[in-house]
This record gives sequence, C-alpha cells and structure tokens, in this order.
Amino acid sequence: AQSVTQLDSHVSVSEGTPVLLRCNYSSSYSPSLFWYVQHPNKGLQLLLKYTSAATLVKGINGFEAEFKKSETSFHLTKPSAHMSDAAEYFCVVSEQAGTALIFGKGTTLSVSS
Amino acid sequence: GAVVSQHPSWVICKSGTSVKIECRSLDFQATTMFWYRQFPKQSLMLMATSNEGSKATYEQGVEKDKFLINHASLTLSTLTVTSAHPEDSSFYICSPTMAGVMNEQFFGPGTRLTVL
Repeated sequence: AQSVTQLDSHVSVSEGTPVLLRCNYSSSYSPSLFWYVQHPNKGLQLLLKYTSAATLVKGINGFEAEFKKSETSFHLTKPSAHMSDAAEYFCVVSEQAGTALIFGKGTTLSVSS
Repeated sequence: GAVVSQHPSWVICKSGTSVKIECRSLDFQATTMFWYRQFPKQSLMLMATSNEGSKATYEQGVEKDKFLINHASLTLSTLTVTSAHPEDSSFYICSPTMAGVMNEQFFGPGTRLTVL
C-alpha cells in the first residue's frame, strides 16, 4: 500500500531564506510523486512531478525536489523564499497511471518579512 | 495544461436540502473522474471514483446514497449532496483523468459548501 508522510505540519521562514519541506513516501511500485500548492480558498496547482526520469526535478516558481529512492524521500526546496510562497503544500504519490492520488496531510508554509 | 471548471464555486444551503456540483473538463475527455473532499485545515481525501457510463466506486465511510455521482459524458460529472447537514460542509474538488496520460491529473478549482 502506498502512503505519504509530510514530516512538518508547519514551516516558518524569513523572506529570502531557503525553504525545505520534507516528504517521505511508501510504495510497493515505482511511484510517481508530485508536489501541489494550495493558496487560501484556491484550487490546487501543480508545482512539479517526478515520473521515473531525472531524480532532480525542477518546478515552477523556483521550486525543485529530489527523488531519493534509498531514503524514500521527495523533499521540496527553494533557495530563497518569497512572501507569495506562503501557502499549503501537499506531497502526493501515485502508483499507477489513472489511479487516484494519495495526498499527504500538508505543510503550511509561512513567510515573514 | 488542461482546463477544468467546477460550478458553483461556493454555495450556502439550509440543512436538509440537496446541492448539485458540476465538474467539466473543457478541453479533454475524462474517462475517469475522482471526487475529493477537503475539510478545513486538512488534506484531500478521495470520496469516490467514477468511470464514464458506469456506477461510481465509493471509498470506505462515504455514503453512496448521500453523495450521488453521475458521469454521463466524457466532459461532465456531477456530485449531488443529498439532504445536506452541517457536517457535510467542506471543500469538494473534482479531478478528471484522461485515459493513457501518465499520472497527469488535473483538478477543478473546488466548490466550497456551507450547510447552515
């Protein structure tokens, strides 16, 4: 069975400092992994996805994530936080095309000036 | 990317009434539709999966007689919350999937339901 664990429910950073949102997964297959962002009262936006190609995945808005099979991790990073990055972030796993996604519980990112 | 619309974007209703939420895939054909529910400050939870022309499959704990799903065409699916109660207040999000597309899923903007 597949599962996703987001290790931090809340992360606070200062504007201009690095962001690290941690995610570990469990899967019986070679999974596809995603990071989605959700701003308050808005829908989900795909940040990036890993589908068995390059292990370092670059996404939108300067975010990237590295798939580490040995550590079963897919942490999301950004070198320099911006105020507009404040939002809820979800790590998501999918084992097979066309099946439902499994969402982590989410990490709230706060950015202070 | 694919365009998905949901209507209404928000709705307030009285307890005991029914509410219909529409999800449309505007530029692709969705053979499968996932419906998710998100309670405040919680993650998305899959409610049900429907394939065009077939009955929906519901996740454990989701009442199929309360949450009626219709997926009559490849571009439209509806979720009807029947006899809504305050505990049904939530953010409902649809996710249509194209057959043969590898793990690219698209989401509607969501419908916020508030039951008084």
